[in-house]
Amino acid sequence: QVQLQESGPGLVKPSGTLSLTCAVSNDSISISSWWSWVRQPPGKGLEWIGEIYQSGSTDYNPSLKSRVTISLDKSKNQFSLDLSSVTAADTAVYYCARGAVAALAAWGQGTLVTVSS
Amino acid sequence: DIVMTQSPDSLAVSLGERATINCKSSQSVLYSSNNKNYLTWYQQKPGQPPRLLVYWASTRGSGVPDRFSGSGSGTDFTLTISSLQPEDVAVYYCQQYYSTPRTFGQGTKVEIK
Repeated sequence: QVQLQESGPGLVKPSGTLSLTCAVSNDSISISSWWSWVRQPPGKGLEWIGEIYQSGSTDYNPSLKSRVTISLDKSKNQFSLDLSSVTAADTAVYYCARGAVAALAAWGQGTLVTVSS
Repeated sequence: DIVMTQSPDSLAVSLGERATINCKSSQSVLYSSNNKNYLTWYQQKPGQPPRLLVYWASTRGSGVPDRFSGSGSGTDFTLTISSLQPEDVAVYYCQQYYSTPRTFGQGTKVEIK
């Protein structure tokens, strides 16, 4: 059963860059279809950030596109999220997930990132 | 962007009774090439990540109890819990996988009456 684990700083300063990594076990990011990031501000709903395919091609939410980069590290079997120029509005629980068929079939536990000075 | 609108925002149902959640998309999520609706339902319990319940509008995910069922086509979809159990207290989200960005509904909170 695939497992995903997010890691990264829990506190980021305004105007800085939020960087998270998702380590994948019991599956290969080089083979499976696509890998995604979703975020959830405290007490609010889910927002799709973007996804990366095993080929390395990406799709991003237009609302974040100018600030987002998702990348694969096949040697470490992990993928990453970078979000630049963050503000308090980017404070959220960030989830990584694996896509399959037409859904996000497996999710990490999530990591809270707070943007504050 | 495809806008997903769920109704109601919350509902309270007695144990053993039926719960029905609706999801409407601003445009069709039916792929004519394979006749599949790219509509997904998730369940999120407090402090937990979302869990896949239903994909392709009506196909249950692995290990999902058969009291959960999805229906609908085109722009109108429904998630039904046939007999509400205590462990079903959660927020339920629909999401379209027809196009990017993969938008979610705002969520429906299900509680016990």
